[in-house]
Amino acid sequence: QKEVEQNSGPLSVPEGAIASLNCTYSDRGSQSFFWYRQYSGKSPELIMFIYSNGDKEDGRFTAQLNKASQYVSLLIRDSQPSDSATYLCAGGGTSKIIFGSGTRLSIRP
Amino acid sequence: DAGITQSPRHKVTETGTPVTLRCHQTENHRYMYWYRQDPGHGLRLIHYSYGVKDTDKGEVSDGYSVSRSKTEDFLLTLESATSSQTSVYFCAIRDHITGMGTQYFGPGTRLLVL
Repeated sequence: QKEVEQNSGPLSVPEGAIASLNCTYSDRGSQSFFWYRQYSGKSPELIMFIYSNGDKEDGRFTAQLNKASQYVSLLIRDSQPSDSATYLCAGGGTSKIIFGSGTRLSIRP
Repeated sequence: DAGITQSPRHKVTETGTPVTLRCHQTENHRYMYWYRQDPGHGLRLIHYSYGVKDTDKGEVSDGYSVSRSKTEDFLLTLESATSSQTSVYFCAIRDHITGMGTQYFGPGTRLLVL
């Protein structure tokens, strides 16, 4: 069964620090990987997608992909209280993607 | 905003009654999806559609059916609702512009089956 695994947390990070979120996947055929942020009671919103090995940066966010290790990560620099949310990792092909169960991130002042 | 609306946004129903949830999109996306989200399980795919009248099952399709008679509408039906179908239901579209399978979500429907 194809799976995407995440540590459920909560992950507590001080304000201004770097938050590091990790994800592993089982399907070597997965082509694209996604990070979504979900606030309580809201729908998931896309933060970033990545499909090539290496790093991809967008503002305070950096996604990292290592296909050999089947590992995806998201780094959030200069963490803000507004970053407190659940982060969902997902991976798959162009027609379907599989979601992890999410990591709850809490930014403490 | 990917132009996705869901209706109703909240619904309370009784076990054994049929329930239909509607997803409507305004941007002519070919692929549409229905997920359910439960604590500890993340988002699980129920059914998806890759065109008008073209649908396929996801990982948790038992007890659900779907229909897509128009590009803009994707309906999810619980033929006879059970308490285990109490959940938050999200519709999503696949963005055909950015490609790579990127999905965007509607606001969700909270369903309570008593």
